[in-house]
Amino acid sequence: SQQGEEDPQALSIQEGENATMNCSYKTSINNLQWYRQNSGRGLVHLILIRSNEREKHSGRLRVTLDTSKKSSSLLITASRAADTASYFCATDAWYGGSQGNLIFGKGTKLSVKP
Amino acid sequence: GAGVSQSPRYKVAKRGQDVALRCDPISGHVSLFWYQQALGQGPEFLTYFQNEAQLDKSGLPSDRFFAERPEGSVSTLKIQRTQQEDSAVYLCASSLGLAGGPLTYEQYFGPGTRLTVT
Repeated sequence: SQQGEEDPQALSIQEGENATMNCSYKTSINNLQWYRQNSGRGLVHLILIRSNEREKHSGRLRVTLDTSKKSSSLLITASRAADTASYFCATDAWYGGSQGNLIFGKGTKLSVKP
Repeated sequence: GAGVSQSPRYKVAKRGQDVALRCDPISGHVSLFWYQQALGQGPEFLTYFQNEAQLDKSGLPSDRFFAERPEGSVSTLKIQRTQQEDSAVYLCASSLGLAGGPLTYEQYFGPGTRLTVT
């Protein structure tokens, strides 16, 4: 079963605009990660935010985490056509029996038009 | 250095056939994970190895699925008597550290093997 739920499921924007994707999850977490997946390829790690952090930046990426609402957002600023991909949030819920495997949402499909 | 590699990249199997999917993790990575990704979905956890020990196989959907990592490096995911519902992309990921603790290590994913069962 999947833990996270990304919103929206699909997003289409023009190059240069900002893209915001949201993720909600169900159980307590140690941290939350965002991954990108280009069509037909594996996942690429973008950014990790720990449960005691509220915001993190990496280049054009900004991630926020609100553990009280069990939600996170990924903002991509000044988007480029090359940002076209599916974006997944993944949580690492370390609990009894878990070995730290990632639990993914269904993803947001981002399309950036030139 | 080289990333995680998987082979074959594509596999078509007739229903009832056995298949074996290979994963070569990044050299020195202790942890290895297998995930299954159905079309339009996020990856779902199958199993986890710490070196050669399979510590978690709770995600394997049935006893037709079997994974091994005998020398703590290369891993093979075997599916016996394949069914149409096994059609998916199978992703392998490795990470440097031990999973299941307070620290989290980035998982590096391979390109996946797309399995189609006809």
